[in-house]
Amino acid sequence: EDKVVQSPLSLVVHEGDTVTLNCSYEVTNFRSLLWYKQEKKAPTFLFMLTSSGIEKKSGRLSSILDKKELFSILNITATQTGDSAIYLCLLNAGNNRKLIWGLGTSLAVNP
Amino acid sequence: SQTIHQWPATLVQPVGSPLSLECTVEGTSNPNLYWYRQAAGRGLQLLFYSVGIGQISSEVPQNLSASRPQDRQFILSSKKLLLSDSGFYLCAWQRSGANVLTFGAGSRLTVL
Repeated sequence: EDKVVQSPLSLVVHEGDTVTLNCSYEVTNFRSLLWYKQEKKAPTFLFMLTSSGIEKKSGRLSSILDKKELFSILNITATQTGDSAIYLCLLNAGNNRKLIWGLGTSLAVNP
Repeated sequence: SQTIHQWPATLVQPVGSPLSLECTVEGTSNPNLYWYRQAAGRGLQLLFYSVGIGQISSEVPQNLSASRPQDRQFILSSKKLLLSDSGFYLCAWQRSGANVLTFGAGSRLTVL
């Protein structure tokens, strides 16, 4: 059965810390892995990963995919209070482009 | 550019009353459309998805229904709301054949 597991489920850090969020998966016919950030409202798209070892970067956020070990990490350096959010991992898999969501990691950055 | 509109943003309804949430997408044609529900700020649960007008796939049996009367319009309905229908409802669109989902602003429903 296809599944996506995010860890940790919840994390509290202080401003300036670096965090690493993990998304592990087991899916048939992998197509892509996407990261989203959700604050008070709707999730917003961060990154899409399709190939192993190629880092995607946007400011203090970066992400990389390991298709051999079946996981992706989302890294946030020098965290700020505005990074507080739920970070969601989405797998796009299967011949019918099945979408599988992780439960998310809730990140709280304290001043 | 493409935009997605979802309304209303917030809704408080009594048990047993009907529901209608609307979602429209602009700037694209024949999008894939989705309705999700999110309870307690976690776990996006897929309710319905549509790949074209009148084509609706239901993922979870419940007292909700969806319709797609026009190419870029997706409606979530209920004839009689239950307390358990409370939650945050999200509409999303995806270009056919693409990977990225783009979400509407969401509708927070409270059933009392």
